[in-house]
Amino acid sequence: QSALTQPASVSGSPGQSITISCTGTSIDIGAYNYVSWYQQHPGKAPKLMIYDVSNRPSGVSNRFSGSKSGNTASLTISGLQAEDEADYYCSSYTSTTPYVFGGGTKVTVL
Amino acid sequence: EVQLEESGGGLVQPGGSLRLSCAGSGFSVRSNYMNWVRQGPGKGLEWVSVIYTNGITYYADSVKGRFIISRDSSKNTLYLQMNSLRTEDTAVYYCARDVDGYGPFDFWGQGTLVTVSS
Repeated sequence: QSALTQPASVSGSPGQSITISCTGTSIDIGAYNYVSWYQQHPGKAPKLMIYDVSNRPSGVSNRFSGSKSGNTASLTISGLQAEDEADYYCSSYTSTTPYVFGGGTKVTVL
Repeated sequence: EVQLEESGGGLVQPGGSLRLSCAGSGFSVRSNYMNWVRQGPGKGLEWVSVIYTNGITYYADSVKGRFIISRDSSKNTLYLQMNSLRTEDTAVYYCARDVDGYGPFDFWGQGTLVTVSS
């Protein structure tokens, strides 16, 4: 099972919106609405930000939103803030392994 | 409050063995789908293994035949027995909970570092 494909880096200025893509295949993202997104600050454990494509856990800012089209899922961060600077990972349930992660995207706030 | 705490990491020589533990509190390890996820130095997250509520286990191809996931309900603890360790197994190992078997991983431990080196 190959990793999901994410851009290595995305950047934006404070207040702007950015979108991170996550491309999979017909056996993972394309087949299930079980896509989740995680935020990881340096030296810390990952934190769940989005689950089941577009749902936010309690306590996660509504500036974070998720969507999916075909084999590609997306995470959008609106009103970018300095604290959003971190690594972001997507994950999907698959019909094989049964989980797979993306390679990760480093978000930089300019 | 749900908490996960890993232990057992350390330095081991190639070909050696190590057992990681993940103690759960505030929930039942047996009643959830418990996972190990690792992160090599400067690398991304890699799913390693899962044990389902019914005891069925799955492994990533990279560890299949070398690692064994298990749990002890009386201690509410998850384990990962790692054998025939390779330098590429060097990573921080996290345990993570999945409530329904489809993801997401809603709670994570703080991680334990495993270094495989001679």
